[in-house]
Order: sequence, then C-alpha cells, then structure tokens
Amino acid sequence: QQQVKQSPQSLIVQKGGIPIINCAYENTAFDYFPWYQQFPGKGPALLIAIRPDVSEKKEGRFTISFNKSAKQFSLHIMDSQPGDSATYFCAASMVNRGSRLTFGEGTQLTVNP
Amino acid sequence: GAVVSQHPSWVICKSGTSVKIECRSLDFQATTMFWYRQFPKQSLMLMATSNEGSKATYEQGVEKDKFLINHASLTLSTLTVTSAHPEDSSFYICSARSDTEAFFGQGTRLTVV
Repeated sequence: QQQVKQSPQSLIVQKGGIPIINCAYENTAFDYFPWYQQFPGKGPALLIAIRPDVSEKKEGRFTISFNKSAKQFSLHIMDSQPGDSATYFCAASMVNRGSRLTFGEGTQLTVNP
Repeated sequence: GAVVSQHPSWVICKSGTSVKIECRSLDFQATTMFWYRQFPKQSLMLMATSNEGSKATYEQGVEKDKFLINHASLTLSTLTVTSAHPEDSSFYICSARSDTEAFFGQGTRLTVV
C-alpha cells in the first residue's frame, strides 16, 4: 500500500514538446504529492507539489494534474528545453513533518535540441 | 525558499576509516530528518529517520552500528559511516521537511578506496 508507480522509465522529446510523466499511488492516506528534478551528482530539487484538494497546479512551465478518484497524478512540462533533461521523481506522503516520502522509480527525460 | 545544506559534497576515504556527513536545515527547524542512499540510475532508498533528541529509526536491512545517526539540534543531523568499506561507496542524501514542503540536500558522493 506504500508503493508509488511511475511511468515511463525514460522519455525523449524534441525541444518545445510537452513531456508527461505519470504516477499512481495506493495509500489513500497520502495527502502530499511533490515532484523532484535531479541532475547527475546532485540532490533532488523540489519542482512543484500538490495537495489533494485541488486538481491542478501550475508553476511556470511545470503543471501537476491530480485525479483523486483514480489515485493518479502527472507532471507536464510545457515548452520543454534541453536544460530540462534530468531525472524526475514523483513522491507521496502524509503532509506532516515526520512522514517519510515514498518515491516513484524515476523517469529519465531527454530533451533534444 | 527553504534550504537544506549537506556537507561535504564529495569525500574519498580509505577502507576502515569513518566518515561524517552533515545535514543542516538553514531557515527552518526540522525535528525529523531523513537519510537516503542512491545507487546509479535508481530511486532514493530510505536508510533511516533521524529524530531530534532521540534515537534514529532504521529501515530493515540497514546496519545501525555502521551508519550512526545523530540529531543533536533542530537544525543539524549527522550520518557517520563507520569502518567504511568499498561497498559503502554511494551517493548519500539527506532530507528535511518544513511545515509545507520536503527539501533535499545536495548529496554526498562517498568513495571508499
């Protein structure tokens, strides 16, 4: 019940394309859903996070769509750039400070020029 | 935004020696911090949950005597890899949660020779 399933494992798009990464969770107690971007040799950087009381959240070129009934959420990257090439992780947890994050397996995104 | 600072970013040590990694929350208090290990092209694996003023909680399979965790203040947790061996070489990352979000340190690349 603690799993978060992420797909696809890898994704290649052209510059300007809109890559979409999907995640599905099982634990209905989860109420915090962040996305992280990680470059090689660096720690994950928080991109955007959503709570289950909204169905969509946008920050710059990054948008999270959230479907509570389906227990799914996705990341959309608008007007993707080569600099967006990185590994993206979704995660889920309860919102309180002591709760651990459960991570997806990660998606290796490549944006070609 | 809130920042978690991890030091050092990389370290090389001889087999049998100990290495200490520091994790600081710079602009918020963190009663709980998390330590992860990440293997190449894999997701983050939670090693332990560090609680201020009390013993850490280790995940199954993680040797608590090898990976010593101390959380002496609300802004500092340390991970000490004791009697390090080449198989301990990895990327170690800490995390802390503010009231609203979960942040990660920059990571520490440990190489044991």
